[in-house]
Amino acid sequence: DIQMTQSPSSMSASLGDRVTITCQASQDIGNNLIWFQQKPGKSPRPMIYYATNLANGVPSRFSGSRSGSDYSLTISSLESEDMADYHCLQYKQYPLTFGSGTKLEIK
Amino acid sequence: EVQLVESGGGLVQPGRSMKLSCAASGFTFNNYDMAWVCQAPKKGLEWVATISYDGSSTYYRDSVKGRFTISRDNAKSTLYLQMDSLRSEDTATYYCARHGVMDAWGQGASVTVSS
Repeated sequence: DIQMTQSPSSMSASLGDRVTITCQASQDIGNNLIWFQQKPGKSPRPMIYYATNLANGVPSRFSGSRSGSDYSLTISSLESEDMADYHCLQYKQYPLTFGSGTKLEIK
Repeated sequence: EVQLVESGGGLVQPGRSMKLSCAASGFTFNNYDMAWVCQAPKKGLEWVATISYDGSSTYYRDSVKGRFTISRDNAKSTLYLQMDSLRSEDTATYYCARHGVMDAWGQGASVTVSS
């Protein structure tokens, strides 16, 4: 199975900060990675698909990138509404596997 | 508007069965593979199972193989998850999701396995 190692597990940042969350894949997944945002009591919302593509309706302050087996979600300037859990998902092969999640809090 | 609405959750005793349904609307259901994803309380997301657009192929995580069955009725635009021999560790919120880029999710159905 492909392991997705997500870091950090939690973080606190100030409004306006640049924030980066990372997932490392244990095997080659190409660009077959999705980033989700999940707010308390809500369903996950896809933010980035195919590693770098912004999903419909997602603010442009969100971006995705890849460097080898490392995948990053970056928020260029943190806003209060970005407080949420973030998850990565590889969909290269079954079983599909999620990262363990990152809880993003606002200082 | 794309909508996925789960139903069928609740409290069930260990070893018993439960069937979840997911009613789809707003898109051509039989064009899409569909998936179930679960989330245990205060835990991360876990993929459970996927079924191909025509029902001919199914995939499961190891921990549910032989106990859970994913199926679909394209005439009714409905996805199902039959869960047998339930265990306490199956306690979670179960979401149905439209496969591909997982761009549509239901609101979730809560399943609690407890005596």
